[in-house]
Amino acid sequence: DTAVSQTPKYLVTQMGNDKSIKCEQNLGHDTMYWYKQDSKKFLKIMFSYNNKELIINETVPNRFSPKSPDKAHLNLHINSLELGDSAVYFCASSQGGGELRAFFGQGTRLTVV
Amino acid sequence: QKEVEQNSGPLSVPEGAIASLNCTYSDRGSQSFFWYRQYSGKSPELIMFIYSNGDKEDGRFTAQLNKASQYVSLLIRDSQPSDSATYLCAFARSGYALNFGKGTSLLVTP
Repeated sequence: DTAVSQTPKYLVTQMGNDKSIKCEQNLGHDTMYWYKQDSKKFLKIMFSYNNKELIINETVPNRFSPKSPDKAHLNLHINSLELGDSAVYFCASSQGGGELRAFFGQGTRLTVV
Repeated sequence: QKEVEQNSGPLSVPEGAIASLNCTYSDRGSQSFFWYRQYSGKSPELIMFIYSNGDKEDGRFTAQLNKASQYVSLLIRDSQPSDSATYLCAFARSGYALNFGKGTSLLVTP
């Protein structure tokens, strides 16, 4: 039973398109995240949500819009995709309340052509 | 941006040896520190966390924290080829997310 699952696993799309990545966790955690891992493997926080409320927006272009319909789901919508958006996007969750041990989904490899 | 510094490696150790991975951080307010392992093409996997100064052992892994020196390390005893991966150091920022280092690539040779 997958704890943090995200779909799709691979996404290839053209510049200028809009795409979404979905994430769900069944751990009962209060906090969810989106991380971006670039080609140099640097893993950087993009957004953090706690109980559906945005806590961290780490200077991400406003083409990226996270949405948390409930605390088990955190989706990422990206408008007007650019070549530089190509990366692996990881969803993660942690218990919250200061407990930050994060558990990661399998990642979505986004390629913009 | 609060920084986490790691030597990118690769660090090469023979099978059965002790692998020592190091990390320094700049945020003196950090209270929680984590080590993740990431195999190529896979997601990061939590292997150790440490909150207090000193050593914490779990099986073949030992995490060491020195807050005065802003230094955290991971020792892997009896290294196995299956330990070959990238090891990411992370610290907690603002109570709501982890900041990661760029990772150290470890290669354990048979």
